[in-house]
Amino acid sequence: AQTVTQSQPEMSVQEAETVTLSCTYDTSESNYYLFWYKQPPSRQMILVIRQEAYKQQNATENRFSVNFQKAAKSFSLKISDSQLGDTAMYFCAFFSHQGAQKLVFGQGTRLTINP
Amino acid sequence: AAGVIQSPRHLIKEKRETATLKCYPIPRHDTVYWYQQGPGQDPQFLISFYEKMQSDKGSIPDRFSAQQFSDYHSELNMSSLELGDSALYFCASSLERASSYEQYFGPGTRLTVT
Repeated sequence: AQTVTQSQPEMSVQEAETVTLSCTYDTSESNYYLFWYKQPPSRQMILVIRQEAYKQQNATENRFSVNFQKAAKSFSLKISDSQLGDTAMYFCAFFSHQGAQKLVFGQGTRLTINP
Repeated sequence: AAGVIQSPRHLIKEKRETATLKCYPIPRHDTVYWYQQGPGQDPQFLISFYEKMQSDKGSIPDRFSAQQFSDYHSELNMSSLELGDSALYFCASSLERASSYEQYFGPGTRLTVT
């Protein structure tokens, strides 16, 4: 079974700083998808960024980028020029279309952006 | 753009009662997933449907059942409610044919069992 681990329960940075959230996962599969979801205080789950395991190029979405290290099974999220609205819980998630097709989430990292 | 719709947004039930949660996926999405998020926890997969057929099952209690209808909306039926069922229930939808496997979540239904 796949597992996803986020080792940073909480992080706090100043507005405009850059912050990196860590995520590691365990799987025996070679083709899968990784996601970062943001859950602000409203509790809505918002898709931030996606990475396909077969693509070597790291995904980027505006201020959000990932560092995908397949051999190390690591998938970190970098937020540049952080904004107050980035304050949220961030979940790393794994998806494979082999076996049960479902998202497996990490425990989450609570990120606070301070003014 | 249209998003996933869930109703009701809040629901309060007593122990041993039943509850029905509804989900309306993004138009043209063919796959629906249900997740349960307990307080301070990450979402846990319950069940999924693809083209109105049950696709996968996760840690869904036998007291719960779900189905997807011809218009692709889905309902999660919960019976003999227990205090531990209090949680945020998410529905998510995706387009299988897109092969991107991006799941878009609804706002959730907050169920409180007293």
